Amino acid sequence: QVQLQESGPGLVKPSGTLSLTCVVSGDSIVSNNWWSWVRHSPGKGLEWIGEINYSGNTRDNPSLKSRVTISVDKSMTRFYLKLNSVTAADTAVYYCSRRFSVGWNDSFDLWGRGTLVTVSS
Amino acid sequence: DIQLTQSPSSLSASVGDEVTLTCRASQSISRYLNWYQVKPGEAPKLLVYGAANLESGVPSRFSAIGSVTEFTLTITALQPEDFATYYCQQSFDTPFNFGPGTKVDV
Repeated sequence: QVQLQESGPGLVKPSGTLSLTCVVSGDSIVSNNWWSWVRHSPGKGLEWIGEINYSGNTRDNPSLKSRVTISVDKSMTRFYLKLNSVTAADTAVYYCSRRFSVGWNDSFDLWGRGTLVTVSS
Repeated sequence: DIQLTQSPSSLSASVGDEVTLTCRASQSISRYLNWYQVKPGEAPKLLVYGAANLESGVPSRFSAIGSVTEFTLTITALQPEDFATYYCQQSFDTPFNFGPGTKVDV
Protein backbone atom coordinates (compact mmCIF):
# COMPACT_ATOMS: atom_id res chain seq x y z
CA GLN A 1 0.00 0.00 0.00
CA VAL A 2 1.45 3.31 -1.08
CA GLN A 3 1.69 5.95 1.59
CA LEU A 4 2.97 9.50 1.68
CA GLN A 5 4.03 11.29 4.85
CA GLU A 6 5.01 14.91 5.20
CA SER A 7 7.33 16.25 7.88
CA GLY A 8 8.97 19.51 8.75
CA PRO A 9 8.86 22.52 11.07
CA GLY A 10 5.40 23.74 11.93
CA LEU A 11 6.55 27.32 12.47
CA VAL A 12 8.65 29.45 10.15
CA LYS A 13 9.62 33.07 10.63
CA PRO A 14 8.68 35.68 8.04
CA SER A 15 11.31 36.04 5.30
CA GLY A 16 12.62 32.60 6.20
CA THR A 17 12.56 29.34 4.25
CA LEU A 18 9.90 26.69 4.60
CA SER A 19 11.38 23.21 4.24
CA LEU A 20 9.33 20.03 4.06
CA THR A 21 10.06 16.36 3.36
CA CYS A 22 7.72 13.77 1.90
CA VAL A 23 8.54 10.11 2.48
CA VAL A 24 7.13 7.71 -0.10
CA SER A 25 6.54 4.12 1.01
CA GLY A 26 5.09 1.26 -0.99
CA ASP A 27 6.03 2.82 -4.31
CA SER A 28 9.11 4.26 -5.88
CA ILE A 29 9.66 7.74 -7.12
CA VAL A 30 11.28 5.91 -10.06
CA SER A 31 7.90 5.33 -11.64
CA ASN A 32 5.85 6.97 -14.33
CA ASN A 33 4.35 9.49 -11.92
CA TRP A 34 4.91 13.03 -10.83
CA TRP A 35 5.38 13.86 -7.16
CA SER A 36 3.67 17.04 -6.14
CA TRP A 37 3.17 19.56 -3.40
CA VAL A 38 -0.24 21.14 -2.84
CA ARG A 39 -1.27 23.51 -0.08
CA HIS A 40 -4.62 24.40 1.44
CA SER A 41 -5.30 27.69 3.15
CA PRO A 42 -8.60 29.24 4.21
CA GLY A 43 -7.96 32.30 2.12
CA LYS A 44 -6.75 30.73 -1.12
CA GLY A 45 -8.27 27.25 -1.13
CA LEU A 46 -6.26 24.46 -2.72
CA GLU A 47 -3.17 25.56 -4.58
CA TRP A 48 -0.78 23.43 -6.63
CA ILE A 49 2.77 24.37 -5.73
CA GLY A 50 4.82 22.22 -8.05
CA GLU A 51 6.11 18.75 -8.84
CA ILE A 52 9.08 16.59 -9.72
CA ASN A 53 9.57 13.31 -11.55
CA TYR A 54 12.22 10.63 -11.12
CA SER A 55 14.46 12.29 -13.70
CA GLY A 56 14.55 15.41 -11.60
CA ASN A 57 12.41 17.43 -14.00
CA THR A 58 10.40 20.01 -12.12
CA ARG A 59 7.47 22.31 -12.75
CA ASP A 60 6.09 24.91 -10.38
CA ASN A 61 3.32 27.45 -10.10
CA PRO A 62 4.30 30.85 -11.51
CA SER A 63 2.12 32.49 -8.85
CA LEU A 64 4.82 31.64 -6.32
CA LYS A 65 7.27 33.83 -8.20
CA SER A 66 10.18 31.42 -8.39
CA ARG A 67 10.34 30.94 -4.61
CA VAL A 68 9.94 27.18 -4.97
CA THR A 69 12.59 24.46 -5.09
CA ILE A 70 11.55 20.82 -5.34
CA SER A 71 14.12 18.05 -5.25
CA VAL A 72 14.34 14.31 -4.83
CA ASP A 73 16.92 12.33 -2.92
CA LYS A 74 19.14 9.68 -4.48
CA SER A 75 17.41 6.87 -2.62
CA MET A 76 14.26 7.78 -4.57
CA THR A 77 12.18 7.37 -1.44
CA ARG A 78 11.65 10.98 -0.51
CA PHE A 79 11.26 14.35 -2.10
CA TYR A 80 11.49 17.85 -0.74
CA LEU A 81 9.96 21.30 -0.87
CA LYS A 82 11.69 24.55 -0.13
CA LEU A 83 9.77 27.80 -0.27
CA ASN A 84 11.79 30.88 0.44
CA SER A 85 10.97 34.45 1.47
CA VAL A 86 7.81 33.30 3.21
CA THR A 87 5.11 35.62 4.51
CA ALA A 88 1.95 35.09 6.52
CA ALA A 89 0.20 34.37 3.22
CA ASP A 90 2.17 31.13 3.02
CA THR A 91 0.53 29.80 6.18
CA ALA A 92 -1.31 26.66 5.10
CA VAL A 93 -1.62 22.92 5.38
CA TYR A 94 0.94 21.48 2.99
CA TYR A 95 0.31 18.13 1.31
CA CYS A 96 2.52 15.93 -0.76
CA SER A 97 0.70 14.01 -3.44
CA ARG A 98 1.22 11.62 -6.32
CA ARG A 99 0.02 12.77 -9.72
CA PHE A 100 -0.90 9.75 -11.79
CA SER A 101 -0.99 10.42 -15.53
CA VAL A 102 -2.19 7.82 -18.02
CA GLY A 103 -4.54 8.88 -20.78
CA TRP A 104 -7.58 10.69 -19.40
CA ASN A 105 -6.56 9.79 -15.88
CA ASP A 106 -4.35 12.66 -14.88
CA SER A 107 -5.12 13.26 -11.23
CA PHE A 108 -3.77 13.57 -7.72
CA ASP A 109 -4.72 10.09 -6.62
CA LEU A 110 -2.73 9.73 -3.41
CA TRP A 111 -2.17 12.25 -0.65
CA GLY A 112 -0.25 12.53 2.57
CA ARG A 113 -2.09 13.54 5.72
CA GLY A 114 -0.79 17.08 5.45
CA THR A 115 1.26 19.24 7.78
CA LEU A 116 0.32 22.68 9.05
CA VAL A 117 2.97 25.33 8.56
CA THR A 118 2.46 28.69 10.22
CA VAL A 119 4.51 31.73 9.25
CA SER A 120 4.87 33.97 12.26
CA SER A 121 7.53 35.74 14.27
CA ASP B 1 -3.59 30.20 -16.66
CA ILE B 2 -6.81 28.21 -16.79
CA GLN B 3 -9.28 29.43 -14.19
CA LEU B 4 -12.04 27.29 -12.71
CA THR B 5 -15.24 28.59 -11.19
CA GLN B 6 -17.65 26.53 -9.13
CA SER B 7 -21.28 27.06 -8.34
CA PRO B 8 -22.88 27.32 -5.99
CA SER B 9 -20.22 28.29 -3.44
CA SER B 10 -22.27 26.53 -0.80
CA LEU B 11 -25.54 24.69 -0.50
CA SER B 12 -27.65 23.25 2.24
CA ALA B 13 -29.13 19.82 1.81
CA SER B 14 -30.59 16.94 3.75
CA VAL B 15 -29.81 13.25 3.86
CA GLY B 16 -31.44 11.61 0.87
CA ASP B 17 -31.38 14.70 -1.31
CA GLU B 18 -29.85 14.87 -4.77
CA VAL B 19 -27.37 17.69 -5.33
CA THR B 20 -25.60 18.89 -8.45
CA LEU B 21 -22.37 20.87 -8.39
CA THR B 22 -21.03 22.75 -11.39
CA CYS B 23 -17.51 23.59 -12.47
CA ARG B 24 -16.67 25.83 -15.41
CA ALA B 25 -13.28 26.31 -17.03
CA SER B 26 -12.06 29.57 -18.57
CA GLN B 27 -11.00 27.69 -21.71
CA SER B 28 -11.35 24.24 -23.18
CA ILE B 29 -9.79 21.52 -21.04
CA SER B 30 -11.28 18.60 -22.96
CA ARG B 31 -11.94 15.95 -20.28
CA TYR B 32 -9.00 16.77 -18.04
CA LEU B 33 -11.15 17.58 -15.04
CA ASN B 34 -11.07 15.91 -11.64
CA TRP B 35 -13.25 16.18 -8.54
CA TYR B 36 -12.06 15.91 -4.92
CA GLN B 37 -13.87 15.73 -1.60
CA VAL B 38 -12.31 17.52 1.36
CA LYS B 39 -13.43 17.14 4.96
CA PRO B 40 -12.04 19.23 7.82
CA GLY B 41 -8.74 17.89 9.06
CA GLU B 42 -8.47 15.35 6.26
CA ALA B 43 -6.52 15.14 3.03
CA PRO B 44 -8.39 15.64 -0.24
CA LYS B 45 -9.88 12.47 -1.64
CA LEU B 46 -10.05 11.87 -5.38
CA LEU B 47 -13.61 11.09 -6.43
CA VAL B 48 -13.66 11.49 -10.21
CA TYR B 49 -10.96 11.63 -12.86
CA GLY B 50 -11.20 12.35 -16.57
CA ALA B 51 -14.47 14.25 -16.05
CA ALA B 52 -16.64 11.16 -15.72
CA ASN B 53 -14.72 8.23 -14.23
CA LEU B 54 -15.26 7.23 -10.63
CA GLU B 55 -12.11 6.47 -8.70
CA SER B 56 -11.99 2.94 -7.32
CA GLY B 57 -14.01 2.61 -4.13
CA VAL B 58 -16.14 5.71 -4.67
CA PRO B 59 -19.83 4.94 -4.14
CA SER B 60 -22.06 4.80 -7.19
CA ARG B 61 -24.29 7.58 -5.82
CA PHE B 62 -21.59 9.89 -7.18
CA SER B 63 -21.67 10.60 -10.90
CA ALA B 64 -20.07 13.19 -13.14
CA ILE B 65 -20.27 14.37 -16.71
CA GLY B 66 -18.88 17.13 -18.84
CA SER B 67 -16.28 18.18 -21.35
CA VAL B 68 -14.68 21.26 -22.86
CA THR B 69 -15.64 23.92 -20.31
CA GLU B 70 -18.74 22.66 -18.47
CA PHE B 71 -18.68 19.91 -15.86
CA THR B 72 -21.04 18.63 -13.19
CA LEU B 73 -20.83 16.35 -10.19
CA THR B 74 -24.06 14.85 -8.93
CA ILE B 75 -24.63 13.10 -5.63
CA THR B 76 -27.88 11.17 -5.44
CA ALA B 77 -29.32 10.10 -2.09
CA LEU B 78 -26.93 12.22 -0.03
CA GLN B 79 -25.44 10.37 2.94
CA PRO B 80 -24.21 11.87 6.23
CA GLU B 81 -20.58 11.23 5.22
CA ASP B 82 -21.06 13.28 2.02
CA PHE B 83 -21.26 16.61 3.83
CA ALA B 84 -17.95 18.15 2.80
CA THR B 85 -16.39 20.62 0.41
CA TYR B 86 -15.96 19.57 -3.20
CA TYR B 87 -13.27 20.93 -5.47
CA CYS B 88 -12.76 20.55 -9.18
CA GLN B 89 -9.23 20.60 -10.61
CA GLN B 90 -7.94 20.77 -14.17
CA SER B 91 -4.99 18.73 -15.38
CA PHE B 92 -4.99 20.03 -18.96
CA ASP B 93 -2.10 22.41 -18.40
CA THR B 94 0.12 23.80 -15.68
CA PRO B 95 -0.48 25.36 -13.26
CA PHE B 96 -2.89 22.62 -12.23
CA ASN B 97 -5.46 24.93 -10.69
CA PHE B 98 -8.32 24.00 -8.42
CA GLY B 99 -11.71 25.63 -8.28
CA PRO B 100 -12.73 27.60 -5.16
CA GLY B 101 -14.92 24.77 -3.92
CA THR B 102 -18.57 24.07 -3.14
CA LYS B 103 -19.42 23.41 0.49
CA VAL B 104 -22.28 20.97 1.01
CA ASP B 105 -23.71 21.21 4.51
CA VAL B 106 -26.81 20.35 6.40
